[in-house]
Amino acid sequence: EVQLVESGGGLVKPGGSLRLSCAASGFTFSGYSMNWVRQPPGKGLEWVSSISSGGNYIEYGESVRGRFTISRDNAKNSLYLQMDSLRAEDTAVYYCARDSFDDSSIHYFDPWGQGTLVAVSS
Amino acid sequence: DIQLTQSPSSLSAFVGDRVTFTCRASQYISTYLNWYQQKPGKAPKLLISGASSLQSGVPSRFSGSGSGTDFTLTINSLQPEDFATYYCQQSFTTSWTFGQGTKVEIK
Repeated sequence: EVQLVESGGGLVKPGGSLRLSCAASGFTFSGYSMNWVRQPPGKGLEWVSSISSGGNYIEYGESVRGRFTISRDNAKNSLYLQMDSLRAEDTAVYYCARDSFDDSSIHYFDPWGQGTLVAVSS
Repeated sequence: DIQLTQSPSSLSAFVGDRVTFTCRASQYISTYLNWYQQKPGKAPKLLISGASSLQSGVPSRFSGSGSGTDFTLTINSLQPEDFATYYCQQSFTTSWTFGQGTKVEIK
């Protein structure tokens, strides 16, 4: 069974740091790009960051660029998100999601993990 | 970034109704449009990719259409388990973006 399990969320003060992890199983992790997507309480989905299968191509959403760092360890089947200089508006459930694509090279996110909650508050 | 606008933001319907909602892109995205369903407290689930390709295991009452900038998701004969929030997502550019969602509620 393909599975993604996030961990590392919690309560942190503004300006603080947190590192999220996503453990993958049931598929060849090193063969897929991966993503982080977040969802503030009661609001919609926002893509945060992507990393290619080998880790050499990385992109960030504008709201986190320069503060967050995505990385992966293919030997450990794990994805990470280092979050620094956290702000109240970073409060959200953070999901990891596999980047899959079909025969027409149309990309989509499937599957998703269950999410981990990050709360930034003093 | 490509903006996606979903309408309506919410709707109420009866079990058995046919419902349709839309997603409009701020620029041409061909058929690089995906639809997700999200239930409260759960992760999003992929329903449709490439504007109209139903994912394995998704009931055939769901269908998607459109290309270019205008897309629709239709649910024929709404079932109790379909009450959820639906999001569109574009994958035309790698700065992936989502619509703000359409919440389908029970009337």
